[in-house]
Amino acid sequence: QKEVEQNSGPLSVPEGAIASLNCTYSDRGSQSFFWYRQYSGKSPELIMFIYSNGDKEDGRFTAQLNKASQYVSLLIRDSQPSDSATYLCAVRNSGGSNYKLTFGKGTLLTVNP
Amino acid sequence: DAGVIQSPRHEVTEMGQEVTLRCKPISGHDYLFWYRQTMMRGLELLIYFNNNVPIDDSGMPEDRFSAKMPNASFSTLKIQPSEPRDSAVYFCASTGGRDSPLHFGNGTRLTVT
Repeated sequence: QKEVEQNSGPLSVPEGAIASLNCTYSDRGSQSFFWYRQYSGKSPELIMFIYSNGDKEDGRFTAQLNKASQYVSLLIRDSQPSDSATYLCAVRNSGGSNYKLTFGKGTLLTVNP
Repeated sequence: DAGVIQSPRHEVTEMGQEVTLRCKPISGHDYLFWYRQTMMRGLELLIYFNNNVPIDDSGMPEDRFSAKMPNASFSTLKIQPSEPRDSAVYFCASTGGRDSPLHFGNGTRLTVT
């Protein structure tokens, strides 16, 4: 069973702070990693993807990947109340069925004004 | 681009009834995915298609579930007979390639009483 684990939260941060969201995965051969944001009652939407070890920045968002530790994280700088949502980590598994994305259960983030 | 279109948005039915969920992927996307989301289990992949052909149906919970994709612009997920434990939000998603993000529809919220 290829698993993706996230802390369910809730993670609560004050407005303007850095929010740090973490994810671990079990399939060592995984190649592609994605972060989706899901507002309550809405569908998931892609925020970022990362394929290589290291950091990838896009505006206020930074994804970090460490394949040796099987760990991927998302940092949100200058958090805003509009960032309050559930953040889903998704991993594209290795193997024959390799279009398959496995999702974690998500971390609920609350940004307090 | 109209995005992935799902219908109905909400479905309430009684145990034992047949339920059919519908999905129209984004034009040009040749991969289509059906996911189910619950609080307990998160987002679970049920089945996915490539060029209208089912590739991986290992997530389909049991024989009561079936999915078809008769052409590139339409897919159905059928549950017969439905049970209360099938209550969930069912998402359809499509993508144009392996390293492209999934685009999700708005989901169908199914309630089986």
